Amino acid sequence: GNSVTQMEGPVTLSEEAFLTINCTYTATGYPSLFWYVQYPGEGLQLLLKATKADDKGSNKGFEATYRKETTSFHLEKGSVQVSDSAVYFCALNPPGNEKLTFGTGTRLTIIP
Amino acid sequence: DTGVSQDPRHKITKRGQNVTFRCDPISEHNRLYWYRQTLGQGPEFLTYFQNEAQLEKSRLLSDRFSAERPKGSFSTLEIQRTEQGDSAMYLCASSLTSANYEQYFGPGTRLTVT
Repeated sequence: GNSVTQMEGPVTLSEEAFLTINCTYTATGYPSLFWYVQYPGEGLQLLLKATKADDKGSNKGFEATYRKETTSFHLEKGSVQVSDSAVYFCALNPPGNEKLTFGTGTRLTIIP
Repeated sequence: DTGVSQDPRHKITKRGQNVTFRCDPISEHNRLYWYRQTLGQGPEFLTYFQNEAQLEKSRLLSDRFSAERPKGSFSTLEIQRTEQGDSAMYLCASSLTSANYEQYFGPGTRLTVT
């Protein structure tokens, strides 16, 4: 079946530190891959996505590259800010499948 | 604001009672999804509609759960005879039908069964 494994949290970093949140997946075919973010008190928001191998999704300084050979979609940011504190979810949906399969989420806290 | 809205935002109910949640999708979106999120977990798919047709239901959706989207616009999710294990955040999302769609999520309804 389809599954997403995310780096366990919580993750605490100092402002301006480099961020990596690992995500690996198991799926049939070539799924689309997503990172969603949930800020405190708000709904899930799409952060970035990639729909085919070697695509790089990017938004708000975050990046993730679709790696078919390692079935990974790790989230990175070069210099985090306090406002990046949130819960981050990696997700996938295989072609022809309407439902998103999410990882368990990684809580990120950035301290000034 | 033309995003996905959900009502109520919070619901506390006693075990055995019935509850109903409403979701209003983005107006031009013809697909609507329900997910459930428990503490410390990612959202889990429950069901989805294309217009008024319910096209898929998860095995998580027991016979106490029913969802409708009667006119292809808003949707309701009803839980009958609630159990403590139903306590969770219920999320609604909507999307367009396209090859490269994005699901837009509402703020969720937090259900607490006492």
